[in-house]
Amino acid sequence: NAGVTQTPKFQVLKTGQSMTLQCAQDMNHNSMYWYRQDPGMGLRLIYYSASEGTTDKGEVPNGYNVSRLNKREFSLRLESAAPSQTSVYFCASTPRGGASDTQYFGPGTRLTVL
Amino acid sequence: RKEVEQDPGPFNVPEGATVAFNCTYSNSASQSFFWYRQDCRKEPKLLMSVYSSGNEDGRFTAQLNRASQYISLLIRDSKLSDSATYLCVVNGNGGFKTIFGAGTRLFVKA
Repeated sequence: NAGVTQTPKFQVLKTGQSMTLQCAQDMNHNSMYWYRQDPGMGLRLIYYSASEGTTDKGEVPNGYNVSRLNKREFSLRLESAAPSQTSVYFCASTPRGGASDTQYFGPGTRLTVL
Repeated sequence: RKEVEQDPGPFNVPEGATVAFNCTYSNSASQSFFWYRQDCRKEPKLLMSVYSSGNEDGRFTAQLNRASQYISLLIRDSKLSDSATYLCVVNGNGGFKTIFGAGTRLFVKA
């Protein structure tokens, strides 16, 4: 069991470039999430997918789009990167999306936008 | 006011010390409470859930006070390997309502 995997681990972009962050889980979880983590701040939810076929905005969705490709995979796309999107991005999954579920995180993607 | 507030620290303690972290939350309707641990440049991982009756896991004890909207984590007999950032996590009503505190850094010194 690999758990939650993310690619790439590191990325440097120039302002205006686009890229897609990939996330996959092999735990048969229904719900998946994308967070960003900035210094001095808690993880902030960008988008989530409660179940296959559905996606919804979180706290900070501007500048991002997502695709729940199937039950396993949930990708995050930056269409036109900005320096404010420099951050560490974590993908997570939960079995059911319930309040008491443990969140299982991937290892993160460290993104720098110049 | 932040929804979940923690003392950012850092807490610098010697091995064997007892250290306590506190966390307050603003949403009185919050349902579930957790402590996660995050090592430097790694992903967060669940340390323990927090129940109204309090719960203990080895050297770690978590307490919840719903009336005061306050959560605590006590670490006894600190080890070097306890050095990490501890995240207070509160869930309102579903995974998408999970709010993470900014974390408290702990350094345990030999």
